[in-house]
Amino acid sequence: GENVEQHPSTLSVQEGDSAVIKCTYSDSASNYFPWYKQELGKRPQLIIDIRSNVGEKKDQRIAVTLNKTAKHFSLHITETQPEDSAVYFCAASLYNQGGKLIFGQGTELSVKP
Amino acid sequence: KAGVTQTPRYLIKTRGQQVTLSCSPISGHRSVSWYQQTPGQGLQFLFEYFSETQRNKGNFPGRFSGRQFSNSRSEMNVSTLELGDSALYLCASSLAAHSPLHFGNGTRLTVT
Repeated sequence: GENVEQHPSTLSVQEGDSAVIKCTYSDSASNYFPWYKQELGKRPQLIIDIRSNVGEKKDQRIAVTLNKTAKHFSLHITETQPEDSAVYFCAASLYNQGGKLIFGQGTELSVKP
Repeated sequence: KAGVTQTPRYLIKTRGQQVTLSCSPISGHRSVSWYQQTPGQGLQFLFEYFSETQRNKGNFPGRFSGRQFSNSRSEMNVSTLELGDSALYLCASSLAAHSPLHFGNGTRLTVT
């Protein structure tokens, strides 16, 4: 079945630095790739998503890139701030399986002031 | 607009019992999905309902079941609870297929 691998599992950066989280998916038919941020004790919140017909998407300090050939997508956070500290999850889904997201294992990002 | 509401927030049960969790989606959202979150296994898909029909199912035993009502509210039931069922159960709703999922705050289930 579909599998999503996420790296690294933990990431520590200094405030103002960039952070990059990488995910690889197994099913080439996957066509939707969201990223969620989960702060401690809170619900996962969608921060950005990308569909397979787009190679890159940006929203202020956050960007996501997709390489369909390599089945690889990445989250880029620039000018990190302490409030960016959280667990980030990537996910993938197939076109015909709308609400069924396959999640990566998560990356705990720590931004040190 | 109110977000996804899950009740109860916390639940403590003993092995062998059964439990029912409730989820009210965002108004207008017809798709409801359920996920189990544990430190070891991460976020795992349980099932998805759309217009009262189960559209997708994950790889969980038959002890896990769900349903959706005509007002899109959904319930999830776990029978014969096991210690390993202790987890945060998250419900998510979406407007339509392939619309972004919006998660609720979850129900923290502890099985003793």
